[in-house]
Amino acid sequence: QKEVEQNSGPLSVPEGAIASLNCTYSDRVSQSFFWYRQYSGKSPELIMSIYSNGDKEDGRFTAQLNKASQYVSLLIRDSQPSDSATYLCAVKGTSGSARQLTFGSGTQLTVLP
Amino acid sequence: EAQVTQNPRYLITVTGKKLTVTCSQNMNHEYMSWYRQDPGLGLRQIYYSMNVEVTDKGDVPEGYKVSRKEKRNFPLILESPSPNQTSLYFCASRKTSGAEAFFGQGTRLTVV
Repeated sequence: QKEVEQNSGPLSVPEGAIASLNCTYSDRVSQSFFWYRQYSGKSPELIMSIYSNGDKEDGRFTAQLNKASQYVSLLIRDSQPSDSATYLCAVKGTSGSARQLTFGSGTQLTVLP
Repeated sequence: EAQVTQNPRYLITVTGKKLTVTCSQNMNHEYMSWYRQDPGLGLRQIYYSMNVEVTDKGDVPEGYKVSRKEKRNFPLILESPSPNQTSLYFCASRKTSGAEAFFGQGTRLTVV
């Protein structure tokens, strides 16, 4: 059974700070990693995907992947109150049932004005 | 507009009364799936479908059925709902590769 672990939080940061969200996964053959943002009462929205070790930047968001440590993180620079949401980490393997996405339970982020 | 449409958005029903939650996508995606979301447990996959007439169990399939007779539609059927199926349900679709890029608006189901 694949597992994806996230710190449930809540995580609070002041406006303008860097928010750091972390995720670990148990299945070494996992190949694809995703971050979703979910506002309260809304559906998840894909914000970042990463497939190889290192950093991937998109605007204020940076995803970091370390397959050796089975660790993926999301950094949000210059955090805004509109970033307040639950962030879900998701992991996908390569074949068969591993092609399903497995989600972590999410980290609730609050950005304080 | 590209979208995944679920209906109904809210449903209160009684134990044992069969119900269907519909899901439809207009993006010609091959892959569709159903998730339930419960506090502290994240999104758990119920069933998924790789294409028409191809479905498979996810992590929590007990008490649910699905069908995929057309590419665009993937209904979720609860033949005899029980209170432990009270949850927030999401349908999602994507191309064969990649993540579930499109989620429906969600269906909040309460079984009393």
